[in-house]
Amino acid sequence: KAGVTQTPRYLIKTRGQQVTLSCSPISGHRSVSWYQQTPGQGLQFLFEYFSETQRNKGNFPGRFSGRQFSNSRSEMNVSTLELGDSALYLCASSLVGLASDTQYFGPGTRLTVL
Amino acid sequence: GESVGLHLPTLSVQEGDNSIINCAYSNSASDYFIWYKQESGKGPQFIIDIRSNMDKRQGQRVTVLLNKTVKHLSLQIAATQPGDSAVYFCAERGSSYKLIFGSGTRLLVRP
Repeated sequence: KAGVTQTPRYLIKTRGQQVTLSCSPISGHRSVSWYQQTPGQGLQFLFEYFSETQRNKGNFPGRFSGRQFSNSRSEMNVSTLELGDSALYLCASSLVGLASDTQYFGPGTRLTVL
Repeated sequence: GESVGLHLPTLSVQEGDNSIINCAYSNSASDYFIWYKQESGKGPQFIIDIRSNMDKRQGQRVTVLLNKTVKHLSLQIAATQPGDSAVYFCAERGSSYKLIFGSGTRLLVRP
């Protein structure tokens, strides 16, 4: 079974731009969660989607948003990029979500904001 | 590869020795704990988990111990191998069902 895939793997943007990242979960998984990883803050939870609905949310500003499609694929959008948004963005999928089961992570998208 | 964390605590062990990686968690209401391994350029990989109604769980070459009294979690790796070199994270699931990750420990295995 294929693992979680994320595209693109690397991205360079400038301040003020917006970016969209994509995540395809493991087949059959309906929950997708997004995390931001930085050397200073570590791994921080952004949000979780299940059946096209945001079910849980971390403490990030409204510039960070996401959505999930009927095939469980998810996208994350960051608007008005800031230098501090440079990070590795990870998505993780699980069968039904954080409450119950193991999350499997993708390789991440490395975002650099110049 | 990508740097996970530039200033992580580091544990250096000789190949073949046992490794013990420790983690203090924050929320006494957390009911589920997970250890992840992250190699350079990759996402975190699930190693082993434990629920709060247990104090020990064993996998293949790995054991997780949970001490709820002092809110402490440890990961023991038996007969450490070069392929075990990575950053290890513990994570706890709190009452809001969000996973909260620790800051990580870098394990270096000396040949």
